[in-house]
Amino acid sequence: DVKVTQSSRYLVKRTGEKVFLECVQDMDHENMFWYRQDPGLGLRLIYFSYDVKMKEKGDIPEGYSVSREKKERFSLILESASTNQTSMYLCASSFARGYNSPLHFGNGTRLTVT
Amino acid sequence: RKEVEQDPGPFNVPEGATVAFNCTYSNSASQSFFWYRQDCRKEPKLLMSVYSSGNEDGRFTAQLNRASQYISLLIRDSKLSDSATYLCVVNMGNTDKLIFGTGTRLQVFP
Repeated sequence: DVKVTQSSRYLVKRTGEKVFLECVQDMDHENMFWYRQDPGLGLRLIYFSYDVKMKEKGDIPEGYSVSREKKERFSLILESASTNQTSMYLCASSFARGYNSPLHFGNGTRLTVT
Repeated sequence: RKEVEQDPGPFNVPEGATVAFNCTYSNSASQSFFWYRQDCRKEPKLLMSVYSSGNEDGRFTAQLNRASQYISLLIRDSKLSDSATYLCVVNMGNTDKLIFGTGTRLQVFP
């Protein structure tokens, strides 16, 4: 069974802090993704990566960056946290590019920025 | 028009009922279709992929209608444990980028 692990379930940070959200998958998946989920807006793609050291912007990359130094690990960085980044953050991985490759999610990090 | 649209519900049904959800998508070139289930404050989990010919997994049946650009999920003999939000997921056109609907909430009552 695929396991995607996010380092924290709950985080509380202050405005202006640099925040790191870590994600690790154990199934040798090529692709990794970061989403945020907000009520009424659904899941929105922040960044994704199809390979080590590769990254691509999703729909809402502003205020975020990512790092993928190893295949199994994909980090999301909030350079200077703001209150509008309070959200549920979900990491996901999938086997490979191409159709019918479903996403497998971590259990999420609920971030509150005060 | 949104790329993927779902009726947000909630659908309130008694145990044992049959319930169906539809999801419409805007891009006729889409090729990948999935249903996910999400429990309150938990991550989405894959329920089933949707294939062109339709597919069934126990009490769950998924259908694809390409002509009208929608997919459907039918749940028979609803259980209390089916209470959740059901997310429709479609790839965007000729890309493998997946777009999520905002979900349909199902509440099964005794």
